[in-house]
Amino acid sequence: QVQLQQWGAGLLKPSETLSLTCAVYGESFSSFYWSWIRQPPGMGLEWIGEINYNGGTNYNPSLKSRVTISVDTSKNQFSLKLRSVTAADTAIYYCARLPSWYSWFDPWGQGTLVIVSS
Amino acid sequence: ENVLTQSPDTLSLSPGERATLSCRASQSVTSSYLAWYQQKPGQAPRPLIYGASSRATGIPDRFSGSGSGTDFTLTISRLEPEDFAVYYCQQYGSSPRTFGQGTKVEIK
Repeated sequence: QVQLQQWGAGLLKPSETLSLTCAVYGESFSSFYWSWIRQPPGMGLEWIGEINYNGGTNYNPSLKSRVTISVDTSKNQFSLKLRSVTAADTAIYYCARLPSWYSWFDPWGQGTLVIVSS
Repeated sequence: ENVLTQSPDTLSLSPGERATLSCRASQSVTSSYLAWYQQKPGQAPRPLIYGASSRATGIPDRFSGSGSGTDFTLTISRLEPEDFAVYYCQQYGSSPRTFGQGTKVEIK
């Protein structure tokens, strides 16, 4: 059964770069899409972007200028970088799998709370 | 972008009652590529329904989904204590992938 485990820095200052990594266990990394989603405290969900095992990416236009998602197939990991963060980027960040492009998110990682504060 | 609007924002019901949640899309959802998720406090969302009406693995049959085009519904036939949570719809037929704002089902 596939499991996603994520980690990264939880406290950032404005203008810094958010960096999170998600490791995939129990399943081949190939043939799937891997995604990041975020949720500001007490609010709804926002899709950030996704990557396939070949490195092809698709980003939310609202964040595209600041986001990079990358993959390391040798480690079965994928990563998120979000540049020039502000307080508006404070959120719980989740990684998730997409079995195909036309697919729902399943499963999800445990979530990482990232706070941006001076 | 396909904007999803859920209603109501909050649903106050008692255990055993029927819950009906609505999700309306600003554009037709391609091939009914719509999912529903349940989220409890401190937990990641859990998929309930995909393809508008198919239950995800392990989801009890009191959960059902219906709809097509721009109007979708999640029904919980008889609320169990563990069903009180926030529910989100999400479309995956077009990019960017979008979520509704959520409906909170609370105990009356």
